[in-house]
This record gives sequence, C-alpha cells and structure tokens, in this order.
Amino acid sequence: LAKTTQPISMDSYEGQEVNITCSHNNIATNDYITWYQQFPSQGPRFIIQGYKTKVTNEVASLFIPADRKSSTLSLPRVSLSDTAVYYCLVGERRGTSYGKLTFGQGTILTVHP
Amino acid sequence: KAGVTQTPRYLIKTRGQQVTLSCSPISGHRSVSWYQQTPGQGLQFLFEYFSETQRNKGNFPGRFSGRQFSNSRSEMNVSTLELGDSALYLCASSLDPKIPNTEAFFGQGTRLTVV
Repeated sequence: LAKTTQPISMDSYEGQEVNITCSHNNIATNDYITWYQQFPSQGPRFIIQGYKTKVTNEVASLFIPADRKSSTLSLPRVSLSDTAVYYCLVGERRGTSYGKLTFGQGTILTVHP
Repeated sequence: KAGVTQTPRYLIKTRGQQVTLSCSPISGHRSVSWYQQTPGQGLQFLFEYFSETQRNKGNFPGRFSGRQFSNSRSEMNVSTLELGDSALYLCASSLDPKIPNTEAFFGQGTRLTVV
C-alpha cells in the first residue's frame, strides 16, 4: 500500500496560486492519485484525480511527473473559502480493496485576506 | 440529484450503550463505505458494502458492525460504546465498484459524542 507524505500545513493569501506537493515513492503501476478537500465537520469532497502527466478541471490542476513518485495539486487564485484540509490519496489496484480510501494526515491550507 | 444523507447529524450517548447510524447513498450508487474521523487518528476506513455484502473491512473491533439493505441504504452499529468512540462518522457512496478508484461522495457525517 503506497504511503503518502505531504506538508502538515501551508499558508497563502487571497489571489495567490497554491501548490501542494505529495510524495508517494511506492506507488504501484495501476494506482491512481486522488485529491480530496475537507471543511470542518463535513465529509471530504473529491477535487481531482490523475494517473500521469497533467490533469485540469474547473477547480484545480494536478501535475504528475513521469516517475509518478510525487504529485502536485495546484489551486489557482485561492480565496478565503479554500481554507480547508487537502488530502492526497493513492488508490488501490483494480480488484482489491474496493471502497477503501486510505487518508493520510492531510495538509491544512489557511488562506489569509 | 440528492447527495449522501446521513442521520442523525448529532448524537450523544452514554458509555455502554449502543448506537445505530444511517446512510442513504446517492441514487444508483451501490457501494457504501464507512469511515471514522478523530483528531488523533484522522480518517480511518471501517468497512464497505456492495449489494448487501460486506466486501472490505478495516481494523476495528467487532463492536463495530454494519449492514446494507436491498435499496443500498446502509446502517452501522456500535455496541458497548466507549469514550474513545466519540468521533465524526462518515459515509461515502460510489457508483461502480468495477471502476478502480472511482470518485467517492461523502455525506456530512454523524457527530457521535460518548459521555
């Protein structure tokens, strides 16, 4: 099971771009990388998922280098409402452990005015 | 489209009692997973159900159990409550378990306090 390492906390200001990097040195060939966002007393919310290179949606971008040992979540022009905990997950292989998401400690992002 | 609904939102129980939490997944979703979140341990996987069968289980004692009904609604039960069971219990539903790492949709959780 691939273990993830990400910074415990980060600070930013409104309007800035935020990049959160996650290390997953033992990622397996069939594993995907997924990021979730969680606000206090709410369930996590899916942000983005990728396998390699770059993925972009209306909320964020995910950069994955060729060796896939790390990934970077990029949040463009953050606002105060982006203050939350961000989790990097490395998915289970097909056929095993359906339904199980393994959350690490997450990164507490605080956006300041 | 309604999201994942968990009831009740808040619950206070006494040590030794038992509790049942309910989760209604998004319509059409057949996989339901449960998680426990505490400040000390973070988010931990409890178990997953698909088509009324438990397919995966985390590292929790037998006091934690669950079930899923034919309409995919799920319940989890904790017996002989301990103070350490105080946590936010989250339910997540997924559309198709054959798709690896498919997106999971979480409910808002049930905040359980054991006194």
